Amino acid sequence: KNEVEQSPQNLTAQEGEFITINCSYSVGISALHWLQQHPGGGIVSLFMLSSGKKKHGRLIATINIQEKHSSLHITASHPRDSAVYICAVKTGNKLTFGGGTRVLVKP
Amino acid sequence: NAGVTQTPKFQVLKTGQSMTLQCAQDMNHEYMSWYRQDPGMGLRLIHYSVGAGITDQGEVPNGYNVSRSTTEDFPLRLLSAAPSQTSVYFCASSIQGGGTGELFFGEGSRLTVL
Repeated sequence: KNEVEQSPQNLTAQEGEFITINCSYSVGISALHWLQQHPGGGIVSLFMLSSGKKKHGRLIATINIQEKHSSLHITASHPRDSAVYICAVKTGNKLTFGGGTRVLVKP
Repeated sequence: NAGVTQTPKFQVLKTGQSMTLQCAQDMNHEYMSWYRQDPGMGLRLIHYSVGAGITDQGEVPNGYNVSRSTTEDFPLRLLSAAPSQTSVYFCASSIQGGGTGELFFGEGSRLTVL
């Protein structure tokens, strides 16, 4: 069993829909990252969380340390949100990554 | 600022050849790391460094060497390339160890070993 599990693996939404991506992990962590990988391959950091909730534009990330679970929400989704979303957990000086969620937003 | 710069972007090697993937950052970040990304596997940590002169192994270090002689540079060396090392490689940095703070990734290097 992987230390970091994401669900769903793939998600298709219509423009404007609310999207939720989940990340569960099995180890104690000090922080969790959400990353976005564009179709061209580049990876950008969206959030780093150690507790609670963060919001940036239409993106919201939450984490529940006790339940070992984090969610990434995209409100009012847009075709430009189509990408692979990756969560990564920090243990010591190392990062362990989930397998990613491929999101397609149709116009 | 250029951020994290990786070179080359593409490389084809024959089995047994050696090469170095270069990674440089201009943000004075202490933490630098190398990952490989394979279909269906996600990103996996190869090696990382928490500062100049300090390196450590990640999840999949076999077949790779690293060094960190300066804060800016963190090259990844393949000593004798194998087809199993065909992958996309990413370098990333952050201000402190283990991705404390925002992570900055290079654009990736696609390596094919024949």
